[in-house]
Amino acid sequence: GDSVTQMEGPVTLSEEAFLTINCTYTATGYPSLFWYVQYPGEGLQLLLKATKADDKGSNKGFEATYRKETTSFHLEKGSVQVSDSAVYFCALTLNAGNNRKLIWGLGTSLAVNP
Amino acid sequence: DAGITQSPRHKVTETGTPVTLRCHQTENHRYMYWYRQDPGHGLRLIHYSYGVKDTDKGEVSDGYSVSRSKTEDFLLTLESATSSQTSVYFCAISESDSSGEKLFFGSGTQLSVL
Repeated sequence: GDSVTQMEGPVTLSEEAFLTINCTYTATGYPSLFWYVQYPGEGLQLLLKATKADDKGSNKGFEATYRKETTSFHLEKGSVQVSDSAVYFCALTLNAGNNRKLIWGLGTSLAVNP
Repeated sequence: DAGITQSPRHKVTETGTPVTLRCHQTENHRYMYWYRQDPGHGLRLIHYSYGVKDTDKGEVSDGYSVSRSKTEDFLLTLESATSSQTSVYFCAISESDSSGEKLFFGSGTQLSVL
């Protein structure tokens, strides 16, 4: 079945370090891919998305490229800040009429130290 | 801000008691969702609604019921709470464009069943 696999956390980095959070997926058809972020004590927020192969989503210095050949959507940021400390979720959706549900990864916790 | 309000924000109850969580939206979105979030499990869909009085089960619907008598309100009921239902519950609405699913989340309800 359709699934999303994320690297396990927690990930701990120093400020200004480079970040990569791996995400791979299994899906029939052509999914849209998403990264959501959850800051402490809050609900999830959409961070970025990509709808087709080779699309690059970007927001707030984060980027992810939809790689169909490797079924991946890795999240990257060149220089993390303390304020990026959060849990990051990779997700996919397949357009299917009324069955509009996201398939989620388990989340990766990121802690950035000053 | 997608205008989603969850109530209560925190709830402590005893095993066997009924509990109702409320999700209210101000944006007139058709689709609404209830998720639970637990360590090691990520986000799991409980129930969702695609219109007034139109609801369907998610992957972890046992022990939960929902109702949607008005577009703006989506209620989640635990008929007889159990300790395994201790969790953080998130309501979400969807705003779909041609790229697929995009969810907006409420701030969550922390439920403890003693």
